[in-house]
Formats: sequence, structure tokens, C-alpha cells
Amino acid sequence: DAKTTQPTSMDCAEGRAANLPCNHSTISGNEYVYWYRQIHSQGPQYIIHGLKNNETNEMASLIITEDRKSSTLILPHATLRDTAVYYCIVSRFQGAQKLVFGQGTRLTINP
Amino acid sequence: DTEVTQTPKHLVMGMTNKKSLKCEQHMGHRAMYWYKQKAKKPPELMFVYSYEKLSINESVPSRFSPECPNSSLLNLHLHALQPEDSALYLCASSQVHRENSPLHFGNGTRLTVT
Repeated sequence: DAKTTQPTSMDCAEGRAANLPCNHSTISGNEYVYWYRQIHSQGPQYIIHGLKNNETNEMASLIITEDRKSSTLILPHATLRDTAVYYCIVSRFQGAQKLVFGQGTRLTINP
Repeated sequence: DTEVTQTPKHLVMGMTNKKSLKCEQHMGHRAMYWYKQKAKKPPELMFVYSYEKLSINESVPSRFSPECPNSSLLNLHLHALQPEDSALYLCASSQVHRENSPLHFGNGTRLTVT
């Protein structure tokens, strides 16, 4: 599975859009981009995923570049509860998934 | 609240004890996972079960013994652990045959080995 590179930490003001970048330059054609987050003392929570097209759900938007070598997770109106570690993961479907977490980005939302 | 339930939430055990961690889901998922997470580190995959059969073992020491007695339950049996095995143990589940099925995680069991 392709590896990902994310900034170690980011800050964002409450109410603003949080844009979290992820580089996955070695991604293969059949690999999906997944985003999970982990709030302190909880298990990881699925946010969104995509293959080629941009995706949006009630939590976030995912923008994938045309060459698929990078992506950006957008939280449109960040709240204090969005403070968490955000993981960008690239994985191909193998039946049961082998989801390998990288170091992630620690996002802090400031009041 | 999550749809994957892990018990107990906290566990303290000595190095000579035998204990078990339990995980339960009722979403009809046929893939189940154990992850280990040390403090300030990302989760590390330990085991994957698909249709109640072990499909991935990430070279985990034999003092960790997984068991999947049915499609809803996943156990992790612990024996002769070391203090460095202290960590948060996370269980997850997913569908198997849907290509884009995300993992659903429980909130983990925080294990302390004394």
C-alpha cells in the first residue's frame, strides 16, 4: 500500500474552514484515499473516502488532485469538537482491508 | 457511542495473569480487526479476521492469541504479557465484499501490565 505524508500539526480558528493536506505520490490506480480522525481517548472515526472524484458528506469534503498524488480534507466550519488527530490512509480493497495508519496531523481548533 | 463494543474499558494485569479482551458488533460485518495503540502513536494492525478465519497476522507475539467464535464476537486472549504491552487495544469491524467499506472502531480497552 502507498505511504502518505501529512503535516505533524495544524491550528485553525473556530468557525473557519480547516484544510488538511495529504501527499500520496506513490498511490496506485486501485487504491482509495481514506480519512479517519481520533479524538482523545476514543477509537478512530471514519470521515470520508474517495477514489478519483471529489467527495462530500455531512462531516467533510475530500478534494483529490487529478493525478491523485495528493488530497485535501476540508472541514467547512470547524468547531472545538473537531480537535483531533486526522489520519490520511491509502488502501486498496483486499476483501478484509489492511488499513495501515501513518503519523497523522494533530489539528487544534482554537476559540 | 459506537456500534462496536469493547469490554472491559480498563484492565490491569500482572505478567503471570491470563486475561481476555472482548469485542462485539451487530452490524452484520464479516471482517473484524485488532489494533494496538501505544501512547502518542498511531494504531498498529495486529490481526484481521474474515468470515471468522484469521486472514492477517502482523507477526504478533504468541502471548497474544486471537479468537473469533462467531461473526459478531472477537476475543483477544492475553498470557504472560510484558509491561511494554501496556497500550490501548482497539477492535474494528467492516464489511468484506464492499470495496469501499470503512472500518468501524470501538473505543478500546486500555491495558496496563504490571
